[in-house]
Amino acid sequence: DTAVSQTPKYLVTQMGNDKSIKCEQNLGHDTMYWYKQDSKKFLKIMFSYNNKELIINETVPNRFSPKSPDKAHLNLHINSLELGDSAVYFCASSLTGAGETQYFGPGTRLLVL
Amino acid sequence: ELKVEQNPLFLSMQEGKNYTIYCNYSTTSDRLYWYRQDPGKSLESLFVLLSNGAVKQEGRLMASLDTKARLSTLHITAAVHDLSATYFCAVDGYGNKLVFGAGTILRVKS
Repeated sequence: DTAVSQTPKYLVTQMGNDKSIKCEQNLGHDTMYWYKQDSKKFLKIMFSYNNKELIINETVPNRFSPKSPDKAHLNLHINSLELGDSAVYFCASSLTGAGETQYFGPGTRLLVL
Repeated sequence: ELKVEQNPLFLSMQEGKNYTIYCNYSTTSDRLYWYRQDPGKSLESLFVLLSNGAVKQEGRLMASLDTKARLSTLHITAAVHDLSATYFCAVDGYGNKLVFGAGTILRVKS
């Protein structure tokens, strides 16, 4: 049973397109996150939702819009894709908030051509 | 702004040797995490350190936290090839917002 799953695993698209990445967790966690890992493997948080409420919104272009339809799902929509958006996007979840281990999904490898 | 520094960034070691990875951070926090990432894979939680003086051990890895020095260490004992991976420390600045170090690429040579 996959704890945190993401779809798609790979995404290759052209500049200017709009794409979405979906994340689901079956751990019963309240908090979910999106991270971006760049080509140098540097990881940075983008967004966090607690029970469908946005609680962390880092300095991210407003072309990125997260949506949480329920506490088990957190999707990421990206408008007008740019070359610099190429990265691996990880979804994660934790039981509540501070002090809880974050469990990461397998990642979505996005390549913008 | 919380900054997290790891060193070394790259570590090549012989099997059977011991070594330590260091994680320094810039502002007060008493929650620190260590993760492992294999090439092309996700992040796997290794340790959660939640108080000053916390020490945790799993197999050949031992992590400790000194909140006064703002320093965590990940000690590797008698390294084996299977430990080859990238190791990240992450510090909780506030609100469970993790700030990650740059990662330490560990290569264990036989």
